[in-house]
Amino acid sequence: KAGVTQTPRYLIKTRGQQVTLSCSPISGHRSVSWYQQTPGQGLQFLFEYFSETQRNKGNFPGRFSGRQFSNSRSEMNVSTLELGDSALYLCASSWSGTGRDEQFFGPGTRLTVL
Amino acid sequence: AQTVTQSQPEMSVQEAETVTLSCTYDTSENNYYLFWYKQPPSRQMILVIRQEAYKQQNATENRFSVNFQKAAKSFSLKISDSQLGDTAMYFCAFMKPSGTYKYIFGTGTRLKVLA
Repeated sequence: KAGVTQTPRYLIKTRGQQVTLSCSPISGHRSVSWYQQTPGQGLQFLFEYFSETQRNKGNFPGRFSGRQFSNSRSEMNVSTLELGDSALYLCASSWSGTGRDEQFFGPGTRLTVL
Repeated sequence: AQTVTQSQPEMSVQEAETVTLSCTYDTSENNYYLFWYKQPPSRQMILVIRQEAYKQQNATENRFSVNFQKAAKSFSLKISDSQLGDTAMYFCAFMKPSGTYKYIFGTGTRLKVLA
């Protein structure tokens, strides 16, 4: 079974631009969660999607948004990029997203904002 | 709000020895899960072990076990017979089944296993 894949793996953008990251979950998984990892703030939960609906969200500004498609693939969008948005963005998938089953992480997308 | 604290930024252990990583958390929730994740230098995060708060029995996975003290809000990870492949960042995480801040991660402990 293929693991969680994220594209692109690396991305360089400039301030003010917007970016879209993609995540393909493990086949059959309906929950996709997104995280931001930085040296200063550590790992922070962005949001979770389940069956095309945002079910949970962390404490991030509205510039961070996402969506999930009917095949459970998810995209995350960051608008009006700021230098502080430079981070490793991880997505993870699970069957239920409730903690009862394992969450599998992707390799991440490294975003650099110049 | 929930918090997760890992007070040991870095640790090292000799190969084949035992090491314990500490984690404390704070929550008013009664239903939640606790996790230890491993992030090797290649960056792919892997689940090490999971504990359900309503289960008093400590979880065990091969060489990995936890000491879950619910009243003390402590959740430490013990790695027995440490191997070079255990070298990684270890994150303790708290998860409640719904609501804002669904997952809270600690700041991590960088573990180095020495040959």
